[in-house]
Amino acid sequence: GAGVSQSPSNKVTEKGKDVELRCDPISGHTALYWYRQSLGQGLEFLIYFQGNSAPDKSGLPSDRFSAERTGGSVSTLTIQRTQQEDSAVYLCASSPDTGRGGALHFGNGTRLTVT
Amino acid sequence: RKEVEQDPGPFNVPEGATVAFNCTYSNSASQSFFWYRQDCRKEPKLLMSVYSSGNEDGRFTAQLNRASQYISLLIRDSKLSDSATYLCVVNMGTGRRALTFGSGTRLQVQP
Repeated sequence: GAGVSQSPSNKVTEKGKDVELRCDPISGHTALYWYRQSLGQGLEFLIYFQGNSAPDKSGLPSDRFSAERTGGSVSTLTIQRTQQEDSAVYLCASSPDTGRGGALHFGNGTRLTVT
Repeated sequence: RKEVEQDPGPFNVPEGATVAFNCTYSNSASQSFFWYRQDCRKEPKLLMSVYSSGNEDGRFTAQLNRASQYISLLIRDSKLSDSATYLCVVNMGTGRRALTFGSGTRLQVQP
């Protein structure tokens, strides 16, 4: 079946512009995660959605970052007034599991470059 | 101290060798543990879950030591195709349900 889909796959933007990154999770998966990964670094947690619960936003690095998940499915990560340090691969993952965590299914990521 | 800590490596081993990685975690309330594999410029993929009693999947063995707060991954008879970064992943328990990733340990298997 279809996996996690992210778009765009690559995005180059000028410093100061806003960007929107999209994630289509696997159908039926209740949990959705956003991470980012800088070159040669580990995954940095950004935000977590679980069903209708309030999202865990504890990883968002600044108030320029926001995310929403509409209808428990598609999610959009928005970065306002982008900075060069925002350049990274933004990874979305979904999971059918709830409490104990479980197998995350990752999308191919969006590679964001801020010039 | 990082919540999940791994030796970044790289571990350079010959084909056929046995190699082991450890990962330490800071939160004693952590509930579940996983190893993921990430190939260069690719997304991470689940390799195996780690169970309290230890578990094996072919050439791969995972173990959990709750008293010392670490998990391990043992790879026997290394193949060239095992070359990748291995990520330790921990569910930090109630109140923080998102999974926390370590920075990864890079393995390079050489012919």
